[in-house]
Amino acid sequence: ETGVTQTPRHLVMGMTNKKSLKCEQHLGHNAMYWYKQSAKKPLELMFVYSLEERVENNSVPSRFSPECPNSSHLFLHLHTLQPEDSALYLCASSQDGANRPSEQFFGPGTRLTVL
Amino acid sequence: GENVGLHLPTLSVQEGDNSIINCAYSNSASDYFIWYKQESGKGPQFIIDIRSNMDKRQGQRVTVLLNKTVKHLSLQIAATQPGDSAVYFCAERGRGNTPLVFGKGTRLSVIA
Repeated sequence: ETGVTQTPRHLVMGMTNKKSLKCEQHLGHNAMYWYKQSAKKPLELMFVYSLEERVENNSVPSRFSPECPNSSHLFLHLHTLQPEDSALYLCASSQDGANRPSEQFFGPGTRLTVL
Repeated sequence: GENVGLHLPTLSVQEGDNSIINCAYSNSASDYFIWYKQESGKGPQFIIDIRSNMDKRQGQRVTVLLNKTVKHLSLQIAATQPGDSAVYFCAERGRGNTPLVFGKGTRLSVIA
């Protein structure tokens, strides 16, 4: 266990559905991340939240909408997805400070299949 | 698995032998490097990190070597075990709080 949990672990949805992925970190970290891991590309950074503010949006389509209500929780709201969005979605957290890099701790991921 | 379609480099090692996994990075300004291990059905797991002011760092059965001259990072696993079978990723980070950049990964298969 890394201290980062994700639910659900598996999700199958149609292209017209709306669903949300949830991530919770129990490590007291101040930064949280969403990554996409697909069969055809390396790990792709999607969003970064630092101190509950979004600091990075890596050209992600608007059908993905992140939300960070507090430093321990991160959501990824999904709507009108495409089959090519099927992938493993990983959440991570870290404790970052000025000039003090630290490792990211990953959750187990949500395996998403879009039909 | 998540990385099957990527045609990842694969390293096959006999159980008990040492493994060396290599990674080349491109950003000469990167000053922090991490190795992650990802087993099937799980998220990446931190193994070891190293800062650019070091050339070598050792952990339990693992050693990371950093050659900044040729921008090369390696992970050495001593006495490789079946449980070491996984995909291994290197990641680099520039100065400040820039996000980690991950490599494509190498699949390590341990032959019992």
